[in-house]
Amino acid sequence: DQQVKQNSPSLSVQEGRISILNCDYTNSMFDYFLWYKKYPAEGPTFLISISSIKDKNEDGRFTVFLNKSAKHLSLHIVPSQPGDSAVYFCAASDRGSGNTGKLIFGQGTTLQVKP
Amino acid sequence: DAGITQSPRHKVTETGTPVTLRCHQTENHRYMYWYRQDPGHGLRLIHYSYGVKDTDKGEVSDGYSVSRSKTEDFLLTLESATSSQTSVYFCAISESSGEGKAFFGQGTRLTVV
Repeated sequence: DQQVKQNSPSLSVQEGRISILNCDYTNSMFDYFLWYKKYPAEGPTFLISISSIKDKNEDGRFTVFLNKSAKHLSLHIVPSQPGDSAVYFCAASDRGSGNTGKLIFGQGTTLQVKP
Repeated sequence: DAGITQSPRHKVTETGTPVTLRCHQTENHRYMYWYRQDPGHGLRLIHYSYGVKDTDKGEVSDGYSVSRSKTEDFLLTLESATSSQTSVYFCAISESSGEGKAFFGQGTRLTVV
């Protein structure tokens, strides 16, 4: 059973426009959410995170929104740049279950930003 | 970049042979993790460690074992490799478990033929 789902395998946007990547989760015990970016032949790199006590976190061009009632989060990239083209993974952790830092990942969404 | 080194970076092995992947960190982080990445599944946790000689299973641990005899090294062993273990393996480290923010290595591409 996939506890974290990214239902869009791919997304294509024009340079300068907004990219919106979506993520849904089923486990209400998740209390910390992260986005990772991955380029081919490299490891994932941390992008931005949000605690369940917040509904928004912003870092430069990247903003993550959390809707706890809908168990949904989204990553907004504004404006999108060609260098943002990568696979984006949503991840969640449950700090209450032994606090081990284990992450549950979604399947990933491949973002292509066209010049 | 966090000091994480995975070795080897690529390996082709035959079904039934043992394989050991190594993760080495220079950050002195307490937590270390092994994930595998497969199409349609994202990254899935195989095993993790919360200290020297302290390890536990993740969601896809069958067929894998791990060892951590030193803070800096975390070994993943496939006792008898199968084709279903063909994957890209990532090691990750975390200083604190609280936020789950982890740093990943470059990955090891393993092919079992």
